Amino acid sequence: GAGVSQSPRYKVAKRGQDVALRCDPISGHVSLFWYQQALGQGPEFLTYFQNEAQLDKSGLPSDRFFAERPEGSVSTLKIQRTQQEDSAVYLCASSSAQGGYTFGSGTRLTVV
Amino acid sequence: DQQVKQNSPSLSVQEGRISILNCDYTNSMFDYFLWYKKYPAEGPTFLISISSIKDKNEDGRFTVFLNKSAKHLSLHIVPSQPGDSAVYFCAVISSGSARQLTFGSGTQLTVLP
Repeated sequence: GAGVSQSPRYKVAKRGQDVALRCDPISGHVSLFWYQQALGQGPEFLTYFQNEAQLDKSGLPSDRFFAERPEGSVSTLKIQRTQQEDSAVYLCASSSAQGGYTFGSGTRLTVV
Repeated sequence: DQQVKQNSPSLSVQEGRISILNCDYTNSMFDYFLWYKKYPAEGPTFLISISSIKDKNEDGRFTVFLNKSAKHLSLHIVPSQPGDSAVYFCAVISSGSARQLTFGSGTQLTVLP
């Protein structure tokens, strides 16, 4: 596609519910990143994939967060047993081997 | 231990004047410094970058200055236009990292017509 596509755009989850956020990167982009942006803050790194390999997951805040990219294209960020502090915008970005990042518009997650 | 700090949460500037956005960082191992612009309900879009080996990079109305001794980065926009109103984030890339970005907290720029 022309850009990075994220779905859903908005998600309201009840505390304790599991959620799955999807990212469709630009076709052919090797690298894929997930970031979390809390209100009034800058995006914070969560995890990084190179093709299907998850090379860095040091930013995932707890073991309730899990990301995958099984075929090296679409990625899913899953949050289990959501809590109120998980409320944020989740941004996905992709890049080619030496190129810059292209960000998606994000998924705004609200946990009530 | 914020590695990248933007101490001004907001800035208002008259149309046609210069906007100066500032950013301080703590780690001298950063390779690249970038500025991103973000409109509401959209993802950040890349604006301009500078390598750690340079002290100035210019692209049209946008100029980024790097002062390594002071660990300070600034973005100058001149002349400012109402369409420049957005949140501006500075970001850094560390040498040896997986090219992950570390962002500041952002500055909301409002350009008044």
